[in-house]
Amino acid sequence: AQRVTQPEKLLSVFKGAPVELKCNYSYSGSPELFWYVQYSRQRLQLLLRHISRESIKGFTADLNKGETSFHLKKPFAQEEDSAMYYCALSGGAGGTSYGKLTFGQGTILTVHP
Amino acid sequence: DVKVTQSSRYLVKRTGEKVFLECVQDMDHENMFWYRQDPGLGLRLIYFSYDVKMKEKGDIPEGYSVSREKKERFSLILESASTNQTSMYLCASSSRLRANTEAFFGQGTRLTVV
Repeated sequence: AQRVTQPEKLLSVFKGAPVELKCNYSYSGSPELFWYVQYSRQRLQLLLRHISRESIKGFTADLNKGETSFHLKKPFAQEEDSAMYYCALSGGAGGTSYGKLTFGQGTILTVHP
Repeated sequence: DVKVTQSSRYLVKRTGEKVFLECVQDMDHENMFWYRQDPGLGLRLIYFSYDVKMKEKGDIPEGYSVSREKKERFSLILESASTNQTSMYLCASSSRLRANTEAFFGQGTRLTVV
């Protein structure tokens, strides 16, 4: 069975401070990992995926298979980063499973001015 | 602009009613999904479909059914609504053609069962 855990329900930081949203996963195969974000009154959308190894809006996330973690980091938080963040895992083989996601519980990030 | 559209933003239904939630996507995606979103629980998969008339149960299918008669449309049905089905429901779609594909979400339907 696959599982995603986000230990922090709420995270508050001040503008300009570093931020790290934690994500741990449990999966026996080779996982596909994602971070999705939901800004106030907007739909859930992809922020980044581990395979791309890219920085989006200043956020990065590194897959650590030894620690089974995929933490999301940003060195200098901005007020517009305030949102709900979900870590998600896609497992299983074949195209019928593509896009099928197991989500963590979510972390609400608040960036204070 | 790619779109997943859910037919209602807010719904209020009575206990025991049959409820239909509709979702349409315009991206010609093969895979479609229904999740419910609850505080502290994240999103949980109810059902998904990988082709017309094909469906598979997700993690919490009890009390729900689905219908996919056309590729672009995926309906979630609450056979007899109960108060514990009060929630936010999200529809999503994705391509079946490659791994690590992005899932696109609708705006959500907030269902209240009274």
